[in-house]
Amino acid sequence: DAGVIQSPRHEVTEMGQEVTLRCKPISGHNSLFWYRQTMMRGLELLIYFNNNVPIDDSGMPEDRFSAKMPNASFSTLKIQPSEPRDSAVYFCASSPSGQFGNEQFFGPGTRLTVL
Amino acid sequence: GESVGLHLPTLSVQEGDNSIINCAYSNSASDYFIWYKQESGKGPQFIIDIRSNMDKRQGQRVTVLLNKTVKHLSLQIAATQPGDSAVYFCAESISGGYQKVTFGTGTKLQVIP
Repeated sequence: DAGVIQSPRHEVTEMGQEVTLRCKPISGHNSLFWYRQTMMRGLELLIYFNNNVPIDDSGMPEDRFSAKMPNASFSTLKIQPSEPRDSAVYFCASSPSGQFGNEQFFGPGTRLTVL
Repeated sequence: GESVGLHLPTLSVQEGDNSIINCAYSNSASDYFIWYKQESGKGPQFIIDIRSNMDKRQGQRVTVLLNKTVKHLSLQIAATQPGDSAVYFCAESISGGYQKVTFGTGTKLQVIP
């Protein structure tokens, strides 16, 4: 099993540009999570999908952030326009179920730098 | 990879000794707790979990203790090895809904060879 796959692993962009992060969850997992990790705020949940449907997006910082899950094997997190304060490591995680007590499997993360 | 705040607590342990990492959780309604390990440049990795109806749970070389009275968790690592060097996060969750997990700020474990 390849685990959760994220791309790109590193992204450097200029302020104002659009950024798209990609995630392929583990096959058979029906829950997907996007997290952001920074030095100041630690690990924060941005959005949670269950069976491709967004269930909780209360962690999405603002309208510049959007996430989609068009099918069970692919999700994107888009930032438009990007700002320097968006610089962080973004993790995608998947779980066999969104139900209580299930382990979340994290991808390797995408390190985003906005200049 | 970058994973923790500027003032991350650090625990230095001699190789072969036991390590104890502590965590205070915030929500008294939380009834499911997880410890994650994050190595440099990688995502968090599940280590062990415990439900609130238990006080102790053991895994391979790791033990988690839960004290609900004072909202405290600890992770004990026996015979600490260099490969245990990482940042350790405790996380809490509430049953009855989806698995929204709230992560703590983390503790960095440094193993001295």
